[in-house]
Amino acid sequence: EAGVAQSPRYKIIEKRQSVAFWCNPISGHATLYWYQQILGQGPKLLIQFQNNGVVDDSQLPKDRFSAERLKGVDSTLKIQPAKLEDSAVYLCASSPSGDYSYEQYFGPGTRLTVT
Amino acid sequence: ILNVEQSPQSLHVQEGDSTNFTCSFPSSNFYALHWYRWETAKSPEALFVMTLNGDEKKKGRISATLNTKEGYSYLYIKGSQPEDSATYLCAFRTGGGNKLTFGTGTQLKVEL
Repeated sequence: EAGVAQSPRYKIIEKRQSVAFWCNPISGHATLYWYQQILGQGPKLLIQFQNNGVVDDSQLPKDRFSAERLKGVDSTLKIQPAKLEDSAVYLCASSPSGDYSYEQYFGPGTRLTVT
Repeated sequence: ILNVEQSPQSLHVQEGDSTNFTCSFPSSNFYALHWYRWETAKSPEALFVMTLNGDEKKKGRISATLNTKEGYSYLYIKGSQPEDSATYLCAFRTGGGNKLTFGTGTQLKVEL
């Protein structure tokens, strides 16, 4: 079974530029998550999708971050414009269902450096 | 805001040493406690999901215990090997949702 795919793996941009990350979850997984992991901190949930609907985006900085999962499969996360403090690893995860699934499966992440 | 704490922050051990880490979490509204291993440049890998007070889980040389009443979990590695070098993350889940709150992790380095 293929795992969660993410691209790109690494990205370096200047502040005020825009960037987009892509995630393809495990086939059949209804729930998709985006996490931000800043160096020295644990991963923080940015947004959770159930199929193509948003379940939780309470910690997403909506003035600059946006995410979509239009067909309920793959997803993109965008930052526009980027700030220095956005430097982090962005992890995508998926799980078979919402409230009652025990496990989340993670991709390898995208390491973003904002200079 | 849920507070999940892990200690120590980092650990250097010699090959063959046994070691353990701690994860502390709120004791109220507990649903599940997850342990992940995250090697550099790889995906975080699920180790254990623990749901019941007194749970003990084992996978090879790695084991974990859970105390939900006092809000802590221990992860043990017996006879550490260089391939055990990774960051070990715990994540806490409250009842009623699938949201994970992660600790900051314990970074383990096993030296020859």
